[in-house]
Amino acid sequence: GQQLNQSPQSMFIQEGEDVSMNCTSSSIFNTWLWYKQDPGEGPVLLIALYKAGELTSNGRLTAQFGITRKDSFLNISASIPSDVGIYFCAGPPLSGNTGKLIFGQGTTLQVKP
Amino acid sequence: NAGVTQTPKFQVLKTGQSMTLQCAQDMNHEYMSWYRQDPGMGLRLIHYSVGAGITDQGEVPNGYNVSRSTTEDFPLRLLSAAPSQTSVYFCASSYRWPGLAGGSSYNEQFFGPGTRLTVL
Repeated sequence: GQQLNQSPQSMFIQEGEDVSMNCTSSSIFNTWLWYKQDPGEGPVLLIALYKAGELTSNGRLTAQFGITRKDSFLNISASIPSDVGIYFCAGPPLSGNTGKLIFGQGTTLQVKP
Repeated sequence: NAGVTQTPKFQVLKTGQSMTLQCAQDMNHEYMSWYRQDPGMGLRLIHYSVGAGITDQGEVPNGYNVSRSTTEDFPLRLLSAAPSQTSVYFCASSYRWPGLAGGSSYNEQFFGPGTRLTVL
């Protein structure tokens, strides 16, 4: 079945650094969703992208819907300790309104104060 | 609003036992879903429902049953637990399917706090 591959799998950075992560698929997506999961909690939606080339920001977070529709990128500027967590991309399989969502395996971010 | 609630938070079962994981939401959301989360594998969709009386299978439905008799509740049943079902289970809800083209705040999916299940 369709898979979403996230890169990198984990990152350990210094507070204040910028972070970039991406999500790729072998097939086209019409929607890209980015979630963050804090330790011990459920994921929370950060940014939703619905149009190829779309660039959307949410505070220090910026996400882009790749032109090829097969990838998406999430950037975090000036990281802070509360950015720690797992970041997931997600999207619907390309088979109409199936009601399904698939998730990437996640990028774990650790921030050193 | 309480949002999405899940009970229990933790559960230990023996192989072959049955149990029901409860999920409820008070936001009048039509779309509800169950995921399992295993290390290094992200979240995988087990079952979902687009409204009361309507359910369908996700990626990994084997060993799990669901029903949706009301808009508010979406329980997940394990009929005969197996060690492979040891995982963290999340329930989620939204007004509409999050992947719906066009997008709006109605598509935003809210997750519960999770149930950590261990099967011995």
